[in-house]
Amino acid sequence: DGGITQSPKYLFRKEGQNVTLSCEQNLNHDAMYWYRQDPGQGLRLIYYSQIVNDFQKGDIAEGYSVSREKKESFPLTVTSAQKNPTAFYLCASSILLHNEQFFGPGTRLTVL
Amino acid sequence: DAKTTQPNSMESNEEEPVHLPCNHSTISGTDYIHWYRQLPSQGPEYVIHGLTSNVNNRMASLAIAEDRKSSTLILHRATLRDAAVYYCILRDVQNAGNMLTFGGGTRLMVKP
Repeated sequence: DGGITQSPKYLFRKEGQNVTLSCEQNLNHDAMYWYRQDPGQGLRLIYYSQIVNDFQKGDIAEGYSVSREKKESFPLTVTSAQKNPTAFYLCASSILLHNEQFFGPGTRLTVL
Repeated sequence: DAKTTQPNSMESNEEEPVHLPCNHSTISGTDYIHWYRQLPSQGPEYVIHGLTSNVNNRMASLAIAEDRKSSTLILHRATLRDAAVYYCILRDVQNAGNMLTFGGGTRLMVKP
């Protein structure tokens, strides 16, 4: 089955620790994205990547970092510099930058 | 950036048609109108998109006003599975840096 996966579904971390969220797709899509969603709010773009080894900051990149070493993978690291990291994190991919986006199931991160 | 305005919430009865409105009075000539929906605790999924003409697919229909300042997403027979937040988004594909911007959306509640 083709799709986009995120793991884990729920993640708990202590304040001050970095944490990396996984996103993998087997759709052969060039573009990948990371969004953050807070309760009752819409999605906000953190980072996006058009192709391997290239990525761009979105609207709220501060306190986050990404890498795109493989086409299939776009991990997101939430660093200790992110002031309010508790949120629902969504990864998406699309064939090219402007095409329909396919979303993963999300990872709910709680920082204690 | 062109913005959209949607009602915060709407209610519908099961098996009845639903018309979800979206206002976008500052839309530009190169803005496509996209609709996504997000079921509870899941990532968003693409519903439909259009530029000027009305569009139909297996999920819904999109009716676009002649002046393009508003559009309506039509679910022909609402089911309980259609209860979700529906996002209306404008996207200028001529602007390489233009990403999907998810606002608050409309929360659709479907009553049995």
